Formats: sequence, structure tokens, C-alpha cells
Amino acid sequence: GAVVSQHPSWVICKSGTSVKIECRSLDFQATTMFWYRQFPKQSLMLMATSNEGSKATYEQGVEKDKFLINHASLTLSTLTVTSAHPEDSSFYICSASYWTEGGEAFFGQGTRLTVV
Amino acid sequence: GENVEQHPSTLSVQEGDSAVIKCTYSDSASNYFPWYKQELGKRPQLIIDIRSNVGEKKDQRIAVTLNKTAKHFSLHITETQPEDSAVYFCAASSGNTPLVFGKGTRLSVIA
Repeated sequence: GAVVSQHPSWVICKSGTSVKIECRSLDFQATTMFWYRQFPKQSLMLMATSNEGSKATYEQGVEKDKFLINHASLTLSTLTVTSAHPEDSSFYICSASYWTEGGEAFFGQGTRLTVV
Repeated sequence: GENVEQHPSTLSVQEGDSAVIKCTYSDSASNYFPWYKQELGKRPQLIIDIRSNVGEKKDQRIAVTLNKTAKHFSLHITETQPEDSAVYFCAASSGNTPLVFGKGTRLSVIA
């Protein structure tokens, strides 16, 4: 399958600072990338859909000014958590898709964010 | 939008027994149903998927069945092994929409 790389794999930051997470598709061009958030022992919750060259589509309840998404190229999408607070601590994971007939998605390895 | 329900939330089986996880979906337009296995702290890994033009698919010890009329699909793992212990997620999408995941099933295989 296709390879999606996410960086960093873990990060600790102070309250009030911003953190940028990168998601790269290494061997294919991803027209669409998705950002998910996962709390311990819970499912993956879709935060936003990121399309190359256009604004991201955020799910209801996700603050677009807090979670900035940029999809500047067909191989890179970034998620910036702005003015992070402890409640933003979570596992963030991206997935990328080149639209096959079925919407297969390939996941990055995830980023564990801890805000102290 | 799509809503995916998954049951059970936890499942314990003896090594060698079978495990079955069931999911239902709400959007009749959904046509792609993957199953992911996620180990602690790691990314979800696709283990098997099925498309709406097929009723059943098998890959060694893993099989998935789909009933489009009833809008449900199931994962079957036979001859379970301790390394099958993980959280399993079902998902559904309609081609150009994001995957919507079920809440997950924590499978424990007891040796």
C-alpha cells in the first residue's frame, strides 16, 4: 500500500504555544487528506478534510481558528494547533487518499501531543 | 451524514476460537467498507475491505460479509491467536467522502 509519513510522532509543548504537525504522502499524490483526533480508548474522530489548493472543510464542533490546516501541495498537509491548552492533548492522526473507486485511506503513524 | 455503529465494544475469546464483530451503517450510498486493526499507540492498519458489489471476501483467517439490504457488515476472525489482540474499527464511505469509523472493538485473545 501507499506510504504516509507524519511528523513529529510525539511532542510536548507549553500552554499557549502553537504546534505544527506534518503529514506527507511519500509515494503518491494525495488529492485529499484527512485529520483525525483520537482520545484514549476511543475511536477516530474526523476533524477536517483537506483538499490541495483549497480551504479545509471542518467537521461540526471543530474550531477552524484553533486547528489550522494547510494543504499546499499534493504531498503535504499540515495541522497547526494554535494557542494549545491541556485539553488539546490527544493523538492526532492523518490519512491520505488518492481517490480510487472506493475511498481507500492510508494513515500516518500519528502524533501524540501533550500540552503542559 | 453517515453513522456507523459497532458492536461489541469489548470481546474476549480463547485462543483458537472465532471472533465476530458487527457494524451497521445508515447511508445507503456508502459503497466501501474497510476494517482496520490498531495496536496501542500505533496507526490503524487496513486488514480487509469490501465493496458494495460483493457479499463476502476472505483472506486467510479473516473474512468480511456485507448485507446491503440490512446495511450491516461483519468481520470474522477464525483460529484466533494472541497477536490478534488489538482494537478493531469498521468504517464506511461512499467513494469521495471521508471514512466514518465505528467506535471500535477491543479484542482480547486469551492464551
